[in-house]
Amino acid sequence: EADIYQTPRYLVIGTGKKITLECSQTMGHDKMYWYQQDPGMELHLIHYSYGVNSTEKGDLSSESTVSRIRTEHFPLTLESARPSHTSQYLCASTWAGDTIYFGEGSWLTVV
Amino acid sequence: QKEVEQNSGPLSVPEGAIASLNCTYSDRGSQSFFWYRQYSGKSPELIMFIYSNGDKEDGRFTAQLNKASQYVSLLIRDSQPSDSATYLCAVKKNSGGGADGLTFGKGTHLIIQP
Repeated sequence: EADIYQTPRYLVIGTGKKITLECSQTMGHDKMYWYQQDPGMELHLIHYSYGVNSTEKGDLSSESTVSRIRTEHFPLTLESARPSHTSQYLCASTWAGDTIYFGEGSWLTVV
Repeated sequence: QKEVEQNSGPLSVPEGAIASLNCTYSDRGSQSFFWYRQYSGKSPELIMFIYSNGDKEDGRFTAQLNKASQYVSLLIRDSQPSDSATYLCAVKKNSGGGADGLTFGKGTHLIIQP
């Protein structure tokens, strides 16, 4: 079982607000990822990191930003939330191998 | 053409029967293939992975890979109502630059009828 935690699990926020979705893993994984998934749709990779101070954009363009100051922590920030940002955000991590483990997800609703 | 394609379903299978889920991928350089199960409102959980052509069995689950046909499948034997979920096929490309996260299909919604 993977030890990867996301907070908040559910968030309703007004347009224009700044939000940070937290993701932490206790497995010492070097690689971490953020995926975005709309209901009934496929997951899209929006950010990834290979280690401390390493961040890259994924396949799907996103207005969010990420940081990786510590190995175990990979927060995602939206400076000014919009209704189009309403989605589920899934954090994931892996060691050098292929198996990617997911956190429980953060459901964001922007009103 | 999408990179990973799955029939979105729903696929309805009687309890106790074999459920067969199919996936095709476009990148011939793909090396690793994964099946995840996702219950509604939950995050994906890994069921199986396969790297080599042929079959790989784990309990009631069998993954099948045919790289020549760019095709991967998942068989679920003795289907149970608890198997009702969306099954996501995921593919990892070769490493060597760029994101090495998984590319997911849209998923097949499986319903096991009691």
